[in-house]
Amino acid sequence: GESVGLHLPTLSVQEGDNSIINCAYSNSASDYFIWYKQESGKGPQFIIDIRSNMDKRQGQRVTVLLNKTVKHLSLQIAATQPGDSAVYFCAAGAGNTPLVFGKGTRLSVIA
Amino acid sequence: DSGVTQTPKHLITATGQRVTLRCSPRSGDLSVYWYQQSLDQGLQFLIQYYNGEERAKGNILERFSAQQFPDLHSELNLSSLELGDSALYFCASSVVERGELFFGSGTQLSVL
Repeated sequence: GESVGLHLPTLSVQEGDNSIINCAYSNSASDYFIWYKQESGKGPQFIIDIRSNMDKRQGQRVTVLLNKTVKHLSLQIAATQPGDSAVYFCAAGAGNTPLVFGKGTRLSVIA
Repeated sequence: DSGVTQTPKHLITATGQRVTLRCSPRSGDLSVYWYQQSLDQGLQFLIQYYNGEERAKGNILERFSAQQFPDLHSELNLSSLELGDSALYFCASSVVERGELFFGSGTQLSVL
């Protein structure tokens, strides 16, 4: 079955720097990917998604890059702020199958 | 606020007991998902319902069961509880069978 993994369980960045969180997936049939942000005591919150017919998508201060060749996606956060401190999950879906989540990367922003 | 409501927020119980977790999806969402989150396992998919019918099953134990009612709310029943069942249980909903999931705030289950 599908497995989704993050390369680093924790990431510390200085406020104002850019953050890059990486994720790998195993199922080449995965065609839909989402990044979620989970703050302490809350449920995961949608950040941005991308479909397999794209290799880049931009949102407000966030960019997701998808490399289907190596089954890798990344989330880039520009000008990281203290409010960005949270656990970030990538999730992958194939067809109508439910999303499979990675274990998460804890982002800590140093003021 | 995602619009997904989960009750209760916290639940403390003993081994061998049975509990019911409740979820009300966002208005208009037909699909409900249950996920289990533990410290070392991340978010594990348990089960999905769409408009009252079971659509997909993940790593859900036989001691666990769920259903979605005609008003689209869902309940997750956990029985013969073990210490290892202690976790955060999330419900999520979506309009269609796939796509962006909207998560509730979760139910923190502690089995003592």
